[in-house]
Amino acid sequence: SQQGEEDPQALSIQEGENATMNCSYKTSINNLQWYRQNSGRGLVHLILIRSNEREKHSGRLRVTLDTSKKSSSLLITASRAADTASYFCATGLSNDYKLSFGAGTTVTVRA
Amino acid sequence: NAGVTQTPKFQVLKTGQSMTLQCAQDMNHEYMSWYRQDPGMGLRLIHYSVGAGITDQGEVPNGYNVSRSTTEDFPLRLLSAAPSQTSVYFCASSQGSSGANVLTFGAGSRLTVL
Repeated sequence: SQQGEEDPQALSIQEGENATMNCSYKTSINNLQWYRQNSGRGLVHLILIRSNEREKHSGRLRVTLDTSKKSSSLLITASRAADTASYFCATGLSNDYKLSFGAGTTVTVRA
Repeated sequence: NAGVTQTPKFQVLKTGQSMTLQCAQDMNHEYMSWYRQDPGMGLRLIHYSVGAGITDQGEVPNGYNVSRSTTEDFPLRLLSAAPSQTSVYFCASSQGSSGANVLTFGAGSRLTVL
């Protein structure tokens, strides 16, 4: 069964605005990752945050992790048309190679 | 580097036919895996391998076989295709660090079973 669930399912914003999406999961994790998928393409890794980290930045991306609430958020600042994609969270457990993906958030950035 | 290469990109099968989806990576990754992606369901793990000669089942393995005879290749076999196997299939690989397994994905193979 899926470990992570993203919210909202879909998001439409104006270019230049910020986009925030959330991921909730069920069991204790070792790390949480975010991936992007452009239409008709494979997933691309964006950022990984470990269970002992609370916040991580990469360019215009900011990820937070709250292990007490079993949730994470991905913030994309100053969005661009090229950010239009689906975004997935994936959780990894200790001593386990497998990643469990959520159903994703579809982000549309309007020009 | 080509990364992860999947073939074919598109395939149409009739119910009961068999076929193999090919996956090859040139990054010397130990870990390889197959996911299927269905609308509203995200990605579900079918089978995975932590090295040549080692394979294991994921969340939805029924109807699929895999083998890992080399580090580079990880083919997925559909034994007797069913309409429920209509999906987009992704192969992914990684250096293989349990606890921090960052995946590199192929471009996907879209399969339709009539």
